[in-house]
Amino acid sequence: DAGVTQSPTHLIKTRGQQVTLRCSPKSGHDTVSWYQQALGQGPQFIFQYYEEEERQRGNFPDRFSGHQFPNYSSELNVNALLLGDSALYLCASSSTGGNEQFFGPGTRLTVL
Amino acid sequence: QKEVEQDPGPLSVPEGAIVSLNCTYSNSAFQYFMWYRQYSRKGPELLMYTYSSGNKEDGRFTAQVDKSSKYISLFIRDSQPSDSATYLCAMSLARDDKIIFGKGTRLHILP
Repeated sequence: DAGVTQSPTHLIKTRGQQVTLRCSPKSGHDTVSWYQQALGQGPQFIFQYYEEEERQRGNFPDRFSGHQFPNYSSELNVNALLLGDSALYLCASSSTGGNEQFFGPGTRLTVL
Repeated sequence: QKEVEQDPGPLSVPEGAIVSLNCTYSNSAFQYFMWYRQYSRKGPELLMYTYSSGNKEDGRFTAQVDKSSKYISLFIRDSQPSDSATYLCAMSLARDDKIIFGKGTRLHILP
């Protein structure tokens, strides 16, 4: 079992650009959540996808959007990048009714 | 007041010591409590998962939840240098719900 996988590992962008991050959930999981972790902080919830729909959303602007595909994989899109968007972006997967969310290794985004 | 408060440390203890990590929270509706371990530049790894109040033990790790005091703890016995990491407390209102994290405590186990 490969666990939760994310790509790319690292990414460098400039202000104003757009970025897409990808996540494949753990085998058997159908729910994907995205978190942003700034340096020295705990992860902050961005949104959660289930059955290809956004089920919950945290306090993030509309520049942050996502998508879930029929195979349960997911993408996080961020438009009009700001310097403050530099962070580790984490994907977590879980199964419906399951107790635990398992995290991937993250994508480190640097905005210059 | 933040929903979850956690002392960021760093906390340095000698190898073999008992480590005590803790968090307080403000929302009495939290039902699920977790501890994650995060090594530098890696994703969080789930260590302990507890529902409601009580204790849970897994090897050298013991998690305690006191809902009346809104206080959770993680104890690590016989600490090892490989335990050096950031420990994140976390909680949620329901299964599959968004997780609210503390800032994390950086722990250093000195050989």
